[in-house]
Amino acid sequence: DTAVSQTPKYLVTQMGNDKSIKCEQNLGHDTMYWYKQDSKKFLKIMFSYNNKELIINETVPNRFSPKSPDKAHLNLHINSLELGDSAVYFCASSQEGWSNTGELFFGEGSRLTVL
Amino acid sequence: QQQVKQSPQSLIVQKGGISIINCAYENTAFDYFPWYQQFPGKGPALLIAIRPDVSEKKEGRFTISFNKSAKQFSLHIMDSQPGDSATYFCAAAGGNEKLTFGTGTRLTIIP
Repeated sequence: DTAVSQTPKYLVTQMGNDKSIKCEQNLGHDTMYWYKQDSKKFLKIMFSYNNKELIINETVPNRFSPKSPDKAHLNLHINSLELGDSAVYFCASSQEGWSNTGELFFGEGSRLTVL
Repeated sequence: QQQVKQSPQSLIVQKGGISIINCAYENTAFDYFPWYQQFPGKGPALLIAIRPDVSEKKEGRFTISFNKSAKQFSLHIMDSQPGDSATYFCAAAGGNEKLTFGTGTRLTIIP
């Protein structure tokens, strides 16, 4: 059983399109995250949700909108895609709260390519 | 402002050798220092972590050394194996600060 699963694994789309990435965790964790990993492998947090409530919202364009229908799911919707959005997006979850001192469990990533 | 600096960016080590990756942090509120390992096509996974009440933590071939006064910590991989080839990230968290990752080190173990 995959602990943190993301879909799709690969996404190729044209500039200006809107796309979504879905994430589900079956670990019973309260906190979920979205991270962006660029071509240089830098890992940057985008959003953090604790029990469906937004905790961290880094300086991310408002074209990115997370949605958490319940504490096991955190989806990422991206409007008006730009070339610079091309990256691997990782969903993660943790048992600890927003202080982030617990172990993060990452999904396998969703590679987004914007043409 | 980069709160966690990691070096080197890439590292090539012969099989059986010792791999050493270094990190330095600035925020004295940090009190949790994990290392994550990432294989190609996979997400990062926790490898080992340390809190500042100890200066060293060892798990198998992996050891974290921690120097609180210098605000530095490092990962040592003893008897490095080809299966250790991956990207390694140090990170730090604590106080009201979110988990902050270093920039990553691509480790290659050659036969």
